[in-house]
Amino acid sequence: GIQVEQSPPDLILQEGANSTLRCNFSDSVNNLQWFHQNPWGQLINLFYIPSGTKQNGRLSATTVATERYSLLYISSSQTTDSGVYFCAVERSAGAQKLVFGQGTRLTINP
Amino acid sequence: GAVVSQHPSWVICKSGTSVKIECRSLDFQATTMFWYRQFPKQSLMLMATSNEGSKATYEQGVEKDKFLINHASLTLSTLTVTSAHPEDSSFYICSASKSTGYSYNEQFFGPGTRLTVL
Repeated sequence: GIQVEQSPPDLILQEGANSTLRCNFSDSVNNLQWFHQNPWGQLINLFYIPSGTKQNGRLSATTVATERYSLLYISSSQTTDSGVYFCAVERSAGAQKLVFGQGTRLTINP
Repeated sequence: GAVVSQHPSWVICKSGTSVKIECRSLDFQATTMFWYRQFPKQSLMLMATSNEGSKATYEQGVEKDKFLINHASLTLSTLTVTSAHPEDSSFYICSASKSTGYSYNEQFFGPGTRLTVL
């Protein structure tokens, strides 16, 4: 099946710093989503981005489908950005099934 | 919007009992819903795909007789953990698929149900 690798696994930053999270995938995809899982376990949709670039406030994402990677940028980090960030992909013939990466655990210290 | 709810948010039960978890799409209709489980500090693993009006499709290694799924309407899917044992303790999360209008579908997740089996 398709492999999804996220890096780095852990990231500790000071408030105000910028960060880049990476997601590599091993096959062509129909769908790629970025999520933030908050400390209570809720997954919050950040981006639906099978290709191209999107921005939402301090967050932006870019997916280069031909090179099979996606990047999530967080600027001017806040402590509320802490949590686990997941990338999930749906293989092109994948019947809507999302395969999740292992996540990046982001800790923003005040 | 795209809001998905789950009930209960947490449950503690005795070994051998059955537990039902509900997943509802509140502001859209979902022909397809998904059930995941997540162990501490791990990623989400898909258990099964729930299709309205038809049998669920289970992932390899997931016992269909243990995890009963019913998707009786376009806004409700239920997961019943039968004869629960301590190893079934986990965080169960559902999602509902919403059409983006470009033949692709975006999944929206419920808040999860934490199951503890004593």
